[in-house]
Amino acid sequence: AQSVTQLGSHVSVSEGALVLLRCNYSSSVPPYLFWYVQYPNQGLQLLLKYTTGATLVKGINGFEAEFKKSETSFHLTKPSAHMSDAAEYFCAVSVGTGANNLFFGTGTRLTVIP
Amino acid sequence: KAGVTQTPRYLIKTRGQQVTLSCSPISGHRSVSWYQQTPGQGLQFLFEYFSETQRNKGNFPGRFSGRQFSNSRSEMNVSTLELGDSALYLCASSLDGQGSGYTFGSGTRLTVV
Repeated sequence: AQSVTQLGSHVSVSEGALVLLRCNYSSSVPPYLFWYVQYPNQGLQLLLKYTTGATLVKGINGFEAEFKKSETSFHLTKPSAHMSDAAEYFCAVSVGTGANNLFFGTGTRLTVIP
Repeated sequence: KAGVTQTPRYLIKTRGQQVTLSCSPISGHRSVSWYQQTPGQGLQFLFEYFSETQRNKGNFPGRFSGRQFSNSRSEMNVSTLELGDSALYLCASSLDGQGSGYTFGSGTRLTVV
């Protein structure tokens, strides 16, 4: 069975500081991994995804994530936080072939302090 | 190109009623998935349709159903509404429902009173 754990339901960083949002997954087969961002009263916007190939994935808005199979992790980072990064972030995993669906973590709300 | 369109954006219904939500996927996308988002349960998968066939289903009661039309547009129906059905319902479209990724709509906010 697949599952996703996001450590820290709330993370606060100062503007300009490093953003690190943690995600660990559980999967019996190689997964596809995703990070989504959700702004208030909005749907989910894809930040980046890992399917195969290079384990360091670059996404939109300066975010990147590294797939570490040995640690079953897919942490999201951004070198310098901006006020506009304040939102809720969701890590998700998709496994298998054919009919797929996303298993989401519980989300991490990021607050950026000016 | 146009994104995923969900209608209506907001809906208020009374317990016991039924409701139908609509989702128009990105042109060319054949997979449509539905998710329920609540503060207590988070994001949960409802079902996925591909080429008019339900391929996958989450752990929801039979009151929740869906369908997909030949143009890939999808509808979701909830019958005999309960207060606990109040949620943001999100639709996601994908080329193939796999690693190509999923694009989400803005959702339909359903409130059951």
